[in-house]
Amino acid sequence: EVQLVESGGGLVQPGGSLRLSCAASGFSVSSNYMSWVRQAPGKGLEWVSVIYSGGGTYYADSVKGRFTISRDNSKNTLYLQMNSLRAEDTAVYYCARGKKYAGQFDYWGQGTLVTVSS
Amino acid sequence: DIQMTQSPSSLSASVGDRVTITCQASQDIRNYLNWYQDKPGKAPKVLIYDASDLETGVPSRFSGNGSGTDFTLTINSLQPEDVATYYCQQYDNVPYTFGQGTKLEIK
Repeated sequence: EVQLVESGGGLVQPGGSLRLSCAASGFSVSSNYMSWVRQAPGKGLEWVSVIYSGGGTYYADSVKGRFTISRDNSKNTLYLQMNSLRAEDTAVYYCARGKKYAGQFDYWGQGTLVTVSS
Repeated sequence: DIQMTQSPSSLSASVGDRVTITCQASQDIRNYLNWYQDKPGKAPKVLIYDASDLETGVPSRFSGNGSGTDFTLTINSLQPEDVATYYCQQYDNVPYTFGQGTKLEIK
């Protein structure tokens, strides 16, 4: 059974850093497209970043230069390193798997809440 | 970036009604479109992929149509458990973009 479990969210001050993790089971993170998608409180969905099976990465303009997506194949875990956090980064962060195409999300985790506030 | 525009932003319908939500892309995205159902406190659930293919396990009252720039999600015989916000999303190009959502309520 495919399962994605995010962790690492919490309260952080503006300018601070946080690393989110997404532990996968039932499939191999290294062989699939994996993304982070976020949803600010009461708002819609926003794609954040993707890592391809070949290792290529892409980012939304809103996080480029501040966030880094990576994976640990031995732990079958996806990560999102978030630096220089801003209030507007406050959101529930989901990891999601690409089905056949990188952005064709089929499985999602339950999400982890990141709150950026002083 | 490709802009996705959904309409309406909200709608209210009765149990048993047929409901249609539309999604327009700012440029041709072929059939690279997903529809999701989003309920509070839960992860978004994919309903339709490739614009018209029903995801495994999704009730057959949900259907999708369209190609190019214009797409629709139809719910035949609305059920109480269909109360949710629905999003379209294109995956033709990075950045992958979502519509602003359609909040569906029961009258």
